[in-house]
Amino acid sequence: EDQVTQSPEALRLQEGESSSLNCSYTVSGLRGLFWYRQDPGKGPEFLFTLYSAGEEKEKERLKATLTKKESFLHITAPKPEDSATYLCAVQADSGGYQKVTFGTGTKLQVIP
Amino acid sequence: SQTIHQWPATLVQPVGSPLSLECTVEGTSNPNLYWYRQAAGRGLQLLFYSVGIGQISSEVPQNLSASRPQDRQFILSSKKLLLSDSGFYLCAWSVLAGLRETQYFGPGTRLLVL
Repeated sequence: EDQVTQSPEALRLQEGESSSLNCSYTVSGLRGLFWYRQDPGKGPEFLFTLYSAGEEKEKERLKATLTKKESFLHITAPKPEDSATYLCAVQADSGGYQKVTFGTGTKLQVIP
Repeated sequence: SQTIHQWPATLVQPVGSPLSLECTVEGTSNPNLYWYRQAAGRGLQLLFYSVGIGQISSEVPQNLSASRPQDRQFILSSKKLLLSDSGFYLCAWSVLAGLRETQYFGPGTRLLVL
């Protein structure tokens, strides 16, 4: 069974204090790994898709990396507006259907 | 550009009442459509997905059902709501490009069953 584990569950940072969120996964036939940002009471907002180990993608203060077992979302010099829950998901081939499994998220709070 | 709509945004319903949540997508054709439920502290749970009009697959047995009457319309229904149906319901769309597929989510519907 596909599994996605995100850590830590919650993270509190001072503004400007860089850190990383972890997403470890167990899946057979990885098709893609996704990062989403979710604000309270809203739907997840797509950030990145990573397809193969060694791949990296950046967007503003966020950088996502992928290995064969885990992905990191690095946040450089975060600002209060980066506060949100960050969700990781993996897509695997499941008998013709590209099944997506989500982690439970890391809740990030950035304090001014 | 593509846009996904869900309504209502919030719904409070008594136990045993019916349910109808609607999702529509604009700016794309023949999308894959999904219904998820998100409970506090838990990951998104896939309820239904559809690859075309009238084609519905269920991931979790329950008292909910889904229908896709039009290409870009997806409806989640129940004949009799249970307390356990409370949660945040999310609709998502995707388009398959080879083996690559990214899901994009709507704003969600908060359902409280009392």
